Order: sequence, then C-alpha cells, then structure tokens
Amino acid sequence: EDQVTQSPEALRLQEGESSSLNCSYTVSGLRGLFWYRQDPGKGPEFLFTLYSAGEEKEKERLKATLTKKESFLHITAPKPEDSATYLCAVPPASSGSRLTFGEGTQLTVNP
Amino acid sequence: EAGVTQFPSHSVIEKGQTVTLRCDPISGHDNLYWYRRVMGKEIKFLLHFVKESKQDESGMPNNRFLAERTGGTYSTLKVQPAELEDSGVYFCASSQVTSLDTQYFGPGTRLTVL
Repeated sequence: EDQVTQSPEALRLQEGESSSLNCSYTVSGLRGLFWYRQDPGKGPEFLFTLYSAGEEKEKERLKATLTKKESFLHITAPKPEDSATYLCAVPPASSGSRLTFGEGTQLTVNP
Repeated sequence: EAGVTQFPSHSVIEKGQTVTLRCDPISGHDNLYWYRRVMGKEIKFLLHFVKESKQDESGMPNNRFLAERTGGTYSTLKVQPAELEDSGVYFCASSQVTSLDTQYFGPGTRLTVL
C-alpha cells in the first residue's frame, strides 16, 4: 500500500526564517508527486507537480524538489501569509489517478 | 473561470438520518473525485468518476455511501443511514484528463453526525 509521511507535523517560523518541509513516500515506481497548500476552512490549493528525481519547481518563496525517496518544500524568507497546512500526495504506481495524501505540515509564520 | 463548488458547506444531522452532498466540477472537467478527511487523519480517496461512469470505487467505506453523477456533470454523495464515524470534511475535486492531471479541489462540506 502506498504511504506518504510528512514531517514535521507542525513548524513555527519567524518572518524571514527559511526552512524546509519533508515528504517521504513508499511507492514502487513514482509517477508524480503533488504539493498542495490548505488554508483553514478551505480545500487544498494546487502548488506543484514533480515527475522525476532531480526535478525542481519554484513559485514565489516556495521551491519543491524531488529525490527517489522524498520531496522537500523549501520556504525562503517566509511571510505570515505563507502560514497554512502544506500537503503532499502521490498517485498509484501502476495506473489510476486517486491520490494518497500525507497528513500535512502545519506552518505558522510569525511577524 | 468558476472553481469546484460544493453544497452545503456545513451539515449537522442525527445518527441514522440521510444526508446528500453535492459537487459541481469545473466546467469541461470529465474527471470528478470524492475524498474525505476525518478528524486527525489524512485526506483519503473515496471514488473517481469519468463522466458518468465510476472508474474507481476502491475507497468507498461501505454500502451506506452512494455516489452518482447523472449526465456527467454534477455529482452527489449520499450517506444513508449516517453513523457517528462518518463525521468529517468531504472534498470534491475535478480534473480535465485522467492520469497525472492536476486535481482542483472544492472548499469541502463539513459533516457532523450527532
């Protein structure tokens, strides 16, 4: 069974303090990895898709990277508006498009 | 372009009652997914429609849950009879094509069963 583990569960940063979130997965043959952001009371909002080890994608203060075993979401000089829960998800190895999600990392950025 | 919409945003019902959740996908998206998040757990897949056909029902917990997508447009998820453990947030998502296309999520319906 596919498994996705995210760490840490919660992270508090000061504004401007860079850090990284981790997403490790056990999928025999990764077809892709998705990062989402979720604000309280809202649905997950798509951020990135990574398809192969070594791939990187950036959006504003966020950069996602992928290795053969894990993905990192690097947050550079975060602002309070970056506070949210960050989720990663993977599709099944063989076929199909149902996503297996991790439990998420709750990020709080203090001003 | 309108996003995925869900109705109602909240529902509070008694154990044993019936509740129907509705999802309107993004226009033109053939793929529609239902997921749910129960307290303290990760978001879990329930099922996947391609147009009006059920492509994958592997996540449906039991036969008290019935999903339909008549005409390949909006979808409903009925829980009958509801149990306490059905409480959680039910999300709907849609995508244009299957496989690895981005799934866009709605705001969710928070269901509380008392």
